Formats: sequence, structure tokens, C-alpha cells
Amino acid sequence: ETGVTQTPRHLVMGMTNKKSLKCEQHLGHNAMYWYKQSAKKPLELMFVYNFKEQTENNSVPSRFSPECPNSSHLFLHLHTLQPEDSALYLCASSLGTGGLSNEQFFGPGTRLTVL
Amino acid sequence: DQQVKQNSPSLSVQEGRISILNCDYTNSMFDYFLWYKKYPAEGPTFLISISSIKDKNEDGRFTVFLNKSAKHLSLHIVPSQPGDSAVYFCAASGVDSSYKLIFGSGTRLLVRP
Repeated sequence: ETGVTQTPRHLVMGMTNKKSLKCEQHLGHNAMYWYKQSAKKPLELMFVYNFKEQTENNSVPSRFSPECPNSSHLFLHLHTLQPEDSALYLCASSLGTGGLSNEQFFGPGTRLTVL
Repeated sequence: DQQVKQNSPSLSVQEGRISILNCDYTNSMFDYFLWYKKYPAEGPTFLISISSIKDKNEDGRFTVFLNKSAKHLSLHIVPSQPGDSAVYFCAASGVDSSYKLIFGSGTRLLVRP
């Protein structure tokens, strides 16, 4: 397995459900990211982890809870979501978080639908 | 207010011709710019980048031009191929928030056979 993988690829959940998105990178990178892409909008950065430490929370509601147990794995725990949270959630990784080391590699995304 | 803007949501080009995708930015602190390509049901893939110390970077059929005074960059694809049909995002980062890639909203390119 190479690159950045995400599971599941598609997820449908009710507003009272609890689910988790998983991201794994096999690139030896130290930084990982969660982005949200809504229709016809730019990618929105949600969270940044560098060497397992969260360095950015871009004013994300607490119903989204990230977890980074090590530099290769990143989770996004979801609970009591709203229909407007339906979007494509993309994970990315990069060697570092500055300058040229910030070239980010993306996973295929999880298409989330909240009913 | 969007700091990175791609004002053309779509572009259609004949195969073999040049495709020019444009991107404007407002933050003069941006010093590193990237283009990503996205196919349906896939994540964005890195295409080409340019540092603010350069005004041109070329990689095969892809060339990125940077005009710092105009705060404008463009991606040229020549010759365009049907497999280039995808959504293209430009992104920028700067010394004041170097790990944040600020993305434009994307331009959908269709290359007609």
C-alpha cells in the first residue's frame, strides 16, 4: 500500500450516529491534515497535526474530533452531525509544514452524507 | 473574503491546443504556489509548484507563470490532451502561515477530442 488511503470512501449517517473516518499515509511524512470540500467551494482546512501534535484547529465545531495516535494515522470522529456537514472530507500529508516541505499529498476522500 | 480566486469555473479547449488556467491572490505574503489536479472520486494530486523567487517553472507539458506585481499566476498546458480533463485547483502559502495551503475554488477543464 502506498500513498494516502482513506476509509470508508462513502458514509451515510444519521444526525444521532457516531462514526469515524480513518486516514493512513505510507510516505514517511510528519504532518497530516483534514480538509472539508463542499460543493463549489474551496477546500477548507480543518485540522493540522505535526509530529502527532495538533497545531491548527480552524474554528471547527466540537462535533468533529480529530485523533492522531502516530505520524502515519489520523482519525476524524464524528458525532451529532448536521445535514450541512455533508461534504467530501479529504486527508493529506506532507513531509513538514513549512515552505517546500509543505507539498501535500491527498487521499481519495470520504464522501459523507448526513441525513 | 477569498485570498485565492479562480474566477473561471470552467474552461473548454480543443485537443492539441493550449489550456490556460488563471489564479489571482490578494495576500502579498504568499511566497509558494501550487497547482493540483482532481479527477472525480479521487483526491487532488500535486501537479506543479513555483516559488516567489521565480517567475516561471516548467515540467513537460505544464508551465506555471507567476506575476508578483499583478498577484496573478497561470497554468499553461500544451498540447492539451483529453486525459487532462479534470478540476484544477491553485493553492498558495506564505511565511505568515506557512503550513496553511489556501485553495481556490477550482476550474473544471474539458479537453474535447
